[in-house]
Amino acid sequence: DGGITQSPKYLFRKEGQNVTLSCEQNLNHDAMYWYRQDPGQGLRLIYYSQIVNDFQKGDIAEGYSVSREKKESFPLTVTSAQKNPTAFYLCASSKGQYNEQFFGPGTRLTVL
Amino acid sequence: GQQLNQSPQSMFIQEGEDVSMNCTSSSIFNTWLWYKQDPGEGPVLLIALYKAGELTSNGRLTAQFGITRKDSFLNISASIPSDVGIYFCAGPDRFSGNTGKLIFGQGTTLQVKP
Repeated sequence: DGGITQSPKYLFRKEGQNVTLSCEQNLNHDAMYWYRQDPGQGLRLIYYSQIVNDFQKGDIAEGYSVSREKKESFPLTVTSAQKNPTAFYLCASSKGQYNEQFFGPGTRLTVL
Repeated sequence: GQQLNQSPQSMFIQEGEDVSMNCTSSSIFNTWLWYKQDPGEGPVLLIALYKAGELTSNGRLTAQFGITRKDSFLNISASIPSDVGIYFCAGPDRFSGNTGKLIFGQGTTLQVKP
C-alpha cells in the first residue's frame, strides 16, 4: 500500500540530547514537509523540501535540521538547541506543484 | 502574511445533528483543502476545492469554495460519533511561489454526544 510512515510513534529523550525522527513515503511525491503541533494548536511548518538534495526553512526552523538524500526519505533532527521540543511532529508529502498534502501518523516526542 | 480564521473553535452537538463550520481570510485563495484529525493521528484530507463557487461532496460531507475566494464552508450532515475530531482548513501560501507551502487554520474541534 502507498503511504507515509513515521517512526517511532512515541519517543522519549533526555534534555540536551539530539533525536532524529524518521519519515518515509512510497507515493513517489517530490515534496515533503515537517510540521509541529502543540496541544490545542494548529500546524506550524518546520522545514520543507521540493526536491532531493534541497530543502528550505519553514516558519519555526530554529533548533531543527533536516536532510533529503533520497526522494523517499526526509528525516528531522531535533537538536539540543530547540528550547521546547516536546510536541507532536507530523510529516507530509505532495506531488510537486499540486497542493494536497498527505500526512503520516505522527511522532509524539517527549523530552524529560 | 496570509492567515486563515476558522469558526467556531469548538462545537458540542447531539448525534444526528447537522454541523457547519467555516474558514475565512482577508486575502484570496486559489485552493481550499479540508482535513480531519483524529486524536493522536495525522490529518486526513477530506475534500479539495479548486474553483470559486465549487460545491463538492464526500459522503455526508459537503464543502464549498466561496465566490469571493476568501472563504470556504464545510458541512457535515447527520453527525455520528466517529465524526469527533479536529477539522482544519488549509490553502496554498500565495507568497511562497510554487513551493506547495500550505497555510492552516487553527482548527474546529467537534464533539458528538451519542
